[in-house]
Amino acid sequence: LAKTTQPISMDSYEGQEVNITCSHNNIATNDYITWYQQFPSQGPRFIIQGYKTKVTNEVASLFIPADRKSSTLSLPRVSLSDTAVYYCLVGDAGGYQKVTFGTGTKLQVIP
Amino acid sequence: KAGVTQTPRYLIKTRGQQVTLSCSPISGHRSVSWYQQTPGQGLQFLFEYFSETQRNKGNFPGRFSGRQFSNSRSEMNVSTLELGDSALYLCASSLVVNRGRTDTQYFGPGTRLTVL
Repeated sequence: LAKTTQPISMDSYEGQEVNITCSHNNIATNDYITWYQQFPSQGPRFIIQGYKTKVTNEVASLFIPADRKSSTLSLPRVSLSDTAVYYCLVGDAGGYQKVTFGTGTKLQVIP
Repeated sequence: KAGVTQTPRYLIKTRGQQVTLSCSPISGHRSVSWYQQTPGQGLQFLFEYFSETQRNKGNFPGRFSGRQFSNSRSEMNVSTLELGDSALYLCASSLVVNRGRTDTQYFGPGTRLTVL
């Protein structure tokens, strides 16, 4: 499984757009990129998944450049409730779920 | 549809004891994975079960074991508990339909285990 590197922490003011970048230089052809959000004492929650270019859902957007060696999770107009740890995962389960979570990025939203 | 449930939510044990944690996946999900989360080590993969078979295992000692039943419910067991086993134990289930894609995992609320 490809190793990922993310910033350990980020601060942002309410209402701003937040971009969290994840590096995954060893991403393989079949790998997908998935982001999870985790609040304290809760299990991670799926946010978004993509393979290339751009993916958008009601919560976030995921930008993946052509070389796929990095990806950026974009959270529009964050609120205090978006304060959480965000994990980037890269892998090809191929039906198997040996998923490795990195250290994640702790996002602190400031009023 | 009900989410992933884990029981018990909180547990206090003493060193040397054993513990069994239970996980009920989302209906229809056939894969169950277990994770250990601690402040120092983060989220670490323990093992994954699919159709009652362990398919993947993380780097944990043999004291950590698990099993999956025919209804996809899963249990994990930790024997001879150590202080360092204090952690949040998370269970996640997934549907497993797409090869070549990391199937979305749905996590339960976790079991907070404290070893005294």
